[in-house]
Amino acid sequence: DIQMTQSPSSVSASVGDRVTITCRASQDISSWLAWYQQKPGKAPKLLIYAASNLQSGVSSRFSGSGSGTDFTLTISSLQPDDFATYYCQQAGRYPLTFAGGTKVEIK
Amino acid sequence: QVQLVESGGGVVQPGGSLRLSCAASKFTFNSYSMHWVRQAPGKGLEWVAVLSYDGRDEYYADSVKGRFTIFRDNSKNTLYLQMSSLRVEDTAVYYCARERSDYVTRNWFDPWGQGTLVIVPS
Repeated sequence: DIQMTQSPSSVSASVGDRVTITCRASQDISSWLAWYQQKPGKAPKLLIYAASNLQSGVSSRFSGSGSGTDFTLTISSLQPDDFATYYCQQAGRYPLTFAGGTKVEIK
Repeated sequence: QVQLVESGGGVVQPGGSLRLSCAASKFTFNSYSMHWVRQAPGKGLEWVAVLSYDGRDEYYADSVKGRFTIFRDNSKNTLYLQMSSLRVEDTAVYYCARERSDYVTRNWFDPWGQGTLVIVPS
């Protein structure tokens, strides 16, 4: 199975900050990577697919990059609505796997 | 607006069985591959299973293989997850999620239902 690792596991940031979350795959997954946002008590929401494609309706504050084994989610200017937990997921091989998540908290 | 509504969760004793349903609306259900994803209380996300739009392909997480079965009834616009030999570690909120695009299985989950809670007490 492909193991997915995210860092950091949590980050404290202020409104307006630039936040970067890293995701690493245990083997090459090309661009088969998605990013999701989840708020407490809610279902996850797709932000980015195919490593760098912004899902329709998602703010352009969010961007994704990377390929192979190393990927990044960047929030360019953190807004109050962005405080949540973020997960990366590899979509290239079964079983599909998620990383453990990064909680973005208010500083 | 696309809607996915899960039901069927509850408390079930270890070794028991349960069937979850996911009622879909506002899109052409038989054109989309569908997934189940679960989340144990306070934990991260775990993919469970996928069924292709044409019903020909299904895959499972190792943790549920041989115990869970994903299937669909396109006439009812409903996805199911038949769970048997349930274990304490199957306790989770179970979400159904649609594939992002029709007629393909690329494993991008969008949208998701609100989830249904399954509890297998120790």
